[in-house]
Amino acid sequence: QVQLVESGGGLVKPGGSLRLSCAASGFTFSDYYMSWIRQAPGKGLEWVSYISGSGSTIYYADSVKGRFTISRDNAKNSLYLQMNSLRAEDTAVYYCASGDKNGPYYFDYWGQGTLVTVSS
Amino acid sequence: DIVMTQTPLSLSVTPGQPASISCKSSQSLLHSDGKTYLYWYLQKPGQSPQLLIYEVSSRFSGVPDRFSGSGSGTDFTLKISRVEAEDVGVYYCLQGIHLPPNTFGQGTKLEIK
Repeated sequence: QVQLVESGGGLVKPGGSLRLSCAASGFTFSDYYMSWIRQAPGKGLEWVSYISGSGSTIYYADSVKGRFTISRDNAKNSLYLQMNSLRAEDTAVYYCASGDKNGPYYFDYWGQGTLVTVSS
Repeated sequence: DIVMTQTPLSLSVTPGQPASISCKSSQSLLHSDGKTYLYWYLQKPGQSPQLLIYEVSSRFSGVPDRFSGSGSGTDFTLKISRVEAEDVGVYYCLQGIHLPPNTFGQGTKLEIK
């Protein structure tokens, strides 16, 4: 069965950096788009970034563009999110999610999430 | 960016009664390939979101048949024929055609009376 397990969250000061990881299993990881989606405390869902199966197509939400970098290692079945210049408004649970083979149209399986708290 | 507007934002339903949630998009979600890229999710308390419905009306694997989706173009509806206690949580619609970004509705909180 599909399993996505995030790690790397924690408490970081404003301006700091953090790298999130997502370990995938149960499907052919390299075939699928993968995404990061976040949820601020008590708020709704916000798409952050996606990456194609080959890694050749990448997009970011305007709110994180220039600060966050998505990447993947298909040999390790892993997805990453490097977060730099963190701000208080980046505080959220970050979910990794798998998508379609042909495009980032939707998110079918989600991890349990990892909490990122940006505070001094 | 496409705006997804859900109504109501909350509803309280007696077990066994039906429930309905509306989602309206600011642009048509019909693609030239004939598919409509509208999805529904449920986030149960303390859990990650789970996919319920894809492409307007197709139930995802394992989703009970009391959940159904309908609509076209810009207007969509999620219906629960008979609400059960396990259906509590927040329901979100998602558009997947005008990318980036994928955009979610604000969420509709369902509680049991």
